[in-house]
Amino acid sequence: GQQLNQSPQSMFIQEGEDVSMNCTSSSIFNTWLWYKQEPGEGPVLLIALYKAGELTSNGRLTAQFGITRKDSFLNISASIPSDVGIYFCAGQGDYGGSQGNLIFGKGTKLSVKP
Amino acid sequence: DSGVTQTPKHLITATGQRVTLRCSPRSGDLSVYWYQQSLDQGLQFLIQYYNGEERAKGNILERFSAQQFPDLHSELNLSSLELGDSALYFCASSVAGLGPDTAFGPGTRLTVL
Repeated sequence: GQQLNQSPQSMFIQEGEDVSMNCTSSSIFNTWLWYKQEPGEGPVLLIALYKAGELTSNGRLTAQFGITRKDSFLNISASIPSDVGIYFCAGQGDYGGSQGNLIFGKGTKLSVKP
Repeated sequence: DSGVTQTPKHLITATGQRVTLRCSPRSGDLSVYWYQQSLDQGLQFLIQYYNGEERAKGNILERFSAQQFPDLHSELNLSSLELGDSALYFCASSVAGLGPDTAFGPGTRLTVL
């Protein structure tokens, strides 16, 4: 079945540093989504990407949809302590698939030292 | 607040028992999805309901079942519980299919002792 490889698994950075994480897949996706999950909460959507090559920003966050539609990256600039959490990528494939149309990576756990 | 509510927030039970997790979707959403999140597996899709009918099935065990009621709330039933069933269970809802408009609930943390 379809799988997403997300890396790195975890990151420990200093406040003010930039962060980069990515997801790759052997399958093509129509949409890439990036979520953030904070402790005790459900995932919250950060950015949605719809077209190959698309680059989208949301404040200090920037994400890109790979040209091949098999990968995406998320960058966070000038990290702050509240950026702490687990970041998930998710790929949306064909509707009606057995995966419920949205497949998640295993997440990147981000820790920020003040 | 995503608009999706889940109860209970925490549940502790013993092996062999049966529990029911409840989800109320965001107002206007017809689809409900259940996900299991364990430490080493990330978010695993279990099942989707759309307007009362099962729409898609993922890696859901035969010991687990779900349903969506006429008022659109959904319940996930977990029976013959095993230690490995300990996880966070998330409900998500959307107008139709999964996508950018999907909202996740806060989750139910199940601990099986």
